[in-house]
Amino acid sequence: DAKTTQPPSMDCAEGRAANLPCNHSTISGNEYVYWYRQIHSQGPQYIIHGLKNNETNEMASLIITEDRKSSTLILPHATLRDTAVYYCIVRDRYNQGGKLIFGQGTELSVKP
Amino acid sequence: DTAVSQTPKYLVTQMGNDKSIKCEQNLGHDTMYWYKQDSKKFLKIMFSYNNKELIINETVPNRFSPKSPDKAHLNLHINSLELGDSAVYFCASSHPGAGTTDTQYFGPGTRLTVL
Repeated sequence: DAKTTQPPSMDCAEGRAANLPCNHSTISGNEYVYWYRQIHSQGPQYIIHGLKNNETNEMASLIITEDRKSSTLILPHATLRDTAVYYCIVRDRYNQGGKLIFGQGTELSVKP
Repeated sequence: DTAVSQTPKYLVTQMGNDKSIKCEQNLGHDTMYWYKQDSKKFLKIMFSYNNKELIINETVPNRFSPKSPDKAHLNLHINSLELGDSAVYFCASSHPGAGTTDTQYFGPGTRLTVL
């Protein structure tokens, strides 16, 4: 079973920031938070991951709370092409090569 | 260049048939995976291979047999297809190890329809 909880759906206006929350209250100290997304009819795509510090890359920013029980993925300027299902996944940092456990994810709709 | 490719993209077949789905990655990764996404869109791991050796088998029926001829390929053979096998099957690969992100790269998927 997935160890994360996400809202099933969210809307965002094009050009605005999309903030996608994730709860992972049972996360352990060895576990990373990963975010993937799946655009309709495509394979999942890696976005970003973090352990306890905030992270940023060319796609998004990841904000992890100090107690690590929740995180937020931020798409700073959402476009129509960001419409997708976003998955927050908790994964043991020492379980290299292990499976990803996908939950239901958040279906993000970016609207013009 | 496609990093992880799968063939075919679509597969329609009758119950009871045997079929194969092929996966190839050109990323130099040593770990490959098969995931199944059902009609309710749940994505679930089926198998993973590291250097041609099976390391994860998630209680998948024996009718499913992965085969890894080399590190770059992981094919999925399905015997005696059933209606419930209809799904989208995704192949993925990664390069686990110290200092890596162990990011999994997914193929485009194969939509299997069993009639």
